Amino acid sequence: AQSVTQLGSHVSVSEGALVLLRCNYSSSVPPYLFWYVQYPNQGLQLLLKYTTGATLVKGINGFEAEFKKSETSFHLTKPSAHMSDAAEYFCAVSDPPSGTYKYIFGTGTRLKVLA
Amino acid sequence: GAGVSQSPRYKVAKRGQDVALRCDPISGHVSLFWYQQALGQGPEFLTYFQNEAQLDKSGLPSDRFFAERPEGSVSTLKIQRTQQEDSAVYLCASSASTGGAQQETQYFGPGTRLLVL
Repeated sequence: AQSVTQLGSHVSVSEGALVLLRCNYSSSVPPYLFWYVQYPNQGLQLLLKYTTGATLVKGINGFEAEFKKSETSFHLTKPSAHMSDAAEYFCAVSDPPSGTYKYIFGTGTRLKVLA
Repeated sequence: GAGVSQSPRYKVAKRGQDVALRCDPISGHVSLFWYQQALGQGPEFLTYFQNEAQLDKSGLPSDRFFAERPEGSVSTLKIQRTQQEDSAVYLCASSASTGGAQQETQYFGPGTRLLVL
């Protein structure tokens, strides 16, 4: 079964510093990859996704992620953190072999931005 | 509406009660998913509908959980004889596609927070 690992359940960065949130997946067949953000008491909002094509994907709010097949990774980055980036971030993969295209989520990383 | 809506937003139930959670997907979306998010965890898949057909219910934790989408739009997740371990946020998502290379995005609702006492 596929799995998603997000290293670091909590990450703290200073405002203006680089944000790096890590995501690794287990599938031998590259799945479709997603990053979602969740603000308190809200649903999940898509930041970006990788399906095919260019491995560097740009998303909303200045975030980007790079798919690296050799490392089975899809890390999320942002050059300069803003206070409004404080939230929980989830990496997800789709499960094509099942035909359902359900998502398998990591356990999340809570990002704290320090003033 | 513009997005996925869910009701109620909060539900408190006594152990043993039945509950029904409603999801209104984005109009015209073919696919509908239910996920369960326990405290401090990522969402976990429960079940999937394509129109009115329930094509995958492999994530439903027990036969106390039942979902339906009779007309291919609104969906209801029902939990019978609730237990304390059922306490979680239940998320609904909808998608315009049925999968494949297009891999249309799943759009999530705000969730229903269920607390079983």
